Amino acid sequence: ELKVEQNPLFLSMQEGKNYTIYCNYSTTSDRLYWYRQDPGKSLESLFVLLSNGAVKQEGRLMASLDTKARLSTLHITAAVHDLSATYFCAVELGGGADGLTFGKGTHLIIQP
Amino acid sequence: DAGITQSPRHKVTETGTPVTLRCHQTENHRYMYWYRQDPGHGLRLIHYSYGVKDTDKGEVSDGYSVSRSKTEDFLLTLESATSSQTSVYFCAISEWRNTEAFFGQGTRLTVV
Repeated sequence: ELKVEQNPLFLSMQEGKNYTIYCNYSTTSDRLYWYRQDPGKSLESLFVLLSNGAVKQEGRLMASLDTKARLSTLHITAAVHDLSATYFCAVELGGGADGLTFGKGTHLIIQP
Repeated sequence: DAGITQSPRHKVTETGTPVTLRCHQTENHRYMYWYRQDPGHGLRLIHYSYGVKDTDKGEVSDGYSVSRSKTEDFLLTLESATSSQTSVYFCAISEWRNTEAFFGQGTRLTVV
């Protein structure tokens, strides 16, 4: 059974600081996805990481994938309040099955 | 936003009644998914479809059935709703197997 673990699950940080969210998964996968969800809203696709060593950046967010370590990171640089949201990583189910297995999400609050 | 419409957006129903949720897409994507989101669990896959009349079970399929008679529509049915099925249900679509998924706005279902 594929397990996807995010940490931390809750993070409160100040504007201007840097921080990293970690996503570990238990089986081999070359594809990992990061999503953002605002309260009461849908999920917005942030990054699609398709191979070992993949790095993608959008504004103050940067995501990376290490398939050998089964680890992805989402790094936040100089956080701003607008980045407050819940962030999910998701990994392909694999084994011939379709769909994604999600982590439980990291609830991020950025305070002035 | 990807052309995904979920209906209804909110529903309250009584235990034991049948409920059908609809997902309609205008993107002509082959793959469609139903997930449920519960606090502390992230999103979990209920069922998915890889084409008209082609469906398969996900992680938490017990108590749910699905149908896809047209490319654009994917229906999720709770045959006899239970309180444990109170949740937010998200439909997602993707163009190909295990590629980037786009999510609908969600349906909040309360079973009383």
